[in-house]
Amino acid sequence: EVQVVESGGGLVQPGRSLLLTCRTSGFTFRDHAISWVRQAPGKGLEWVGLSRSRIYGGVNEYAASVRGRFTISRDDSESTAWLQMNSLKTEDTAMYYCSRGLTVTGAKYWFDSWGQGTLVTVSS
Amino acid sequence: DIQMTQSPSTLSASAGDRVTITCRASQSISRWLAWYQQKPGKVPKLLIYEASSSEGGVPSRFSGSGSGTEFTLTISSLQPDDTATYYCQHYNSFPLAFGGGTKVEIK
Repeated sequence: EVQVVESGGGLVQPGRSLLLTCRTSGFTFRDHAISWVRQAPGKGLEWVGLSRSRIYGGVNEYAASVRGRFTISRDDSESTAWLQMNSLKTEDTAMYYCSRGLTVTGAKYWFDSWGQGTLVTVSS
Repeated sequence: DIQMTQSPSTLSASAGDRVTITCRASQSISRWLAWYQQKPGKVPKLLIYEASSSEGGVPSRFSGSGSGTEFTLTISSLQPDDTATYYCQHYNSFPLAFGGGTKVEIK
């Protein structure tokens, strides 16, 4: 059974940093992309970023709203990914979901398994 | 960047009704579109990928169609358990993007 578990959320002041962790099991982590998607309170889903598997070059992609501030990393031996969030803004307040990415080309990704999310609140 | 627009934003229908949700892309995305269901307080769940391919375990009353810029998600016979917000997501190119969501309620 595929399992995805996020952790690391909490209350943080604007301008500070936070590290989210995504631990997975039940599938071959190194063969899959991992993505982060967020949802502000009462709002819709917003794609944040994606880490490709090494098979497809291991290149990361980011939404414009977080590029340069957020970084995704992964350790295939630990089946774990991280989202390092720096220079946090109040508008980054959201539930952050980690999800497994599926692809048939290495360029097209959709998401089939999602964690329960971890809540990040950016406030002074 | 490709923008995704869903309509309607809210939909109220009776149990047993046929329901259709539309998702439009700002430029052609071929068939690179997924649909997700998010029940209140729950995690998004994949329903459809590549516009019309059903994820395993999804009830057959859910179907997707379309290509290019216009796509639909159809629920053939609405059930009380289908109360949720539905999102489309394009994956034609980066940045990926979701539609704004369609909230489906039972009358």
